[in-house]
Amino acid sequence: EVQLVESGGVLVPPGGSLRLSCAASGFTFSTYAMSWVRQAPGKGLEWVSGIGGSGGSTHYADSVKGRFTTSRDNSKNTMSLQMNSLRPEDTAVYYCASSAGGLIGSFDYWGQGTLVTVSS
Amino acid sequence: QSVLTQPPSVSGAPGQRVTISCTGSSSNIGAGYGVHWYRQFPGTAPKLLIYDNYNRPSGVPDRFSGSKSGTSASLAITGLQAEDEADYYCQSYDSSLSGLVFGGGTKVTVL
Repeated sequence: EVQLVESGGVLVPPGGSLRLSCAASGFTFSTYAMSWVRQAPGKGLEWVSGIGGSGGSTHYADSVKGRFTTSRDNSKNTMSLQMNSLRPEDTAVYYCASSAGGLIGSFDYWGQGTLVTVSS
Repeated sequence: QSVLTQPPSVSGAPGQRVTISCTGSSSNIGAGYGVHWYRQFPGTAPKLLIYDNYNRPSGVPDRFSGSKSGTSASLAITGLQAEDEADYYCQSYDSSLSGLVFGGGTKVTVL
């Protein structure tokens, strides 16, 4: 059974930093592209970043470029999102999602999400 | 404002057919990139319903179907059921943005 489990979401002040993690199981992790997708309270879905299966290719939405960094450790089946210079508008539930079809493919599986709140 | 445009809401009576449109442009749907559809119940994670325009993952009922033409795509739900009340999102890739894009979401209400 495929499982994606996010962790690390907390309350953080504006300008602060936070690191989210996504633990994967039930599939061959290194053959899947992975992404972070967020959803602000009461709003729609927004793609944040993606990383290729080998970790050699990363892409970011303009809204987080230069502030967020995505990485993965295929030996531990984990993906991370380092979030710096956080803003109130970054407040959202952050989901990790897998893509068998590569970085532009569909999101086949999703985690349950972790809530990040940026507020003083 | 989302790159892909969906109607905010659609509704129908049980047993009816409803469709949700997803309008894009020449840099996403019109460029030939696949369109994918997700369903999300309140407080839960989205789930893949349709991938690559019209394909259903294992376990998704054939009441759900997808289509694509030009710069637009559609999701159709036939035999509408009370359990279909949820938010539905389309998603594709945009070459101008070099990133993945979502529609703003459509709330389906069963009357």
